Amino acid sequence: QKEVEQNSGPLSVPEGAIASLNCTYSDRGSQSFFWYRQYSGKSPELIMFIYSNGDKEDGRFTAQLNKASQYVSLLIRDSQPSDSATYLCAVNVGFQKLVFGTGTRLLVSP
Amino acid sequence: GAVVSQHPSWVICKSGTSVKIECRSLDFQATTMFWYRQFPKQSLMLMATSNEGSKATYEQGVEKDKFLINHASLTLSTLTVTSAHPEDSSFYICSARRAGVQETQYFGPGTRLLVL
Repeated sequence: QKEVEQNSGPLSVPEGAIASLNCTYSDRGSQSFFWYRQYSGKSPELIMFIYSNGDKEDGRFTAQLNKASQYVSLLIRDSQPSDSATYLCAVNVGFQKLVFGTGTRLLVSP
Repeated sequence: GAVVSQHPSWVICKSGTSVKIECRSLDFQATTMFWYRQFPKQSLMLMATSNEGSKATYEQGVEKDKFLINHASLTLSTLTVTSAHPEDSSFYICSARRAGVQETQYFGPGTRLLVL
């Protein structure tokens, strides 16, 4: 079983819609969860991090964490074509290391 | 804040040569830096964890004698690909963990290596 799993997509949504990206993880000891965005040919860019159960909002982005279900999600409201990218979920393993999922490709059509 | 730079952004070299890539945290001190490799259409693969002033910790399957890592200061880590071969061609990305801020990693822009 992979440590961090994401649906590879592509997830296609129309402009203005809500995009919902999901991630599950296997290590129950994980405490820190991150979402990165990666445009094609570029390096990852941190969008949000979440440590506590529940929701965390930052502008159009909302991260949701459910430790009991080992599930973390990212909602993007009012999706824009510029949001089209691959979204990477990352989970801490141990003290320092992050393990990344394979990413979900999001396509927002005008 | 939390800007990480990498140099060079692109490098083309002949098989058998060595290539050095620098990773710098520009506006914060990084006690830990990480080196990743990403092949086309694949996810990030951690190669090694670099702690300032100590030896790097390599992931399973990564040759420490081929990928030399030096983390001489709180703002600079270097990765040297020794005796590069075409199969080493990849996108190498470093990240830096901000001291005192849990596990958040900030990524550099990456270095594309092409070995001919």
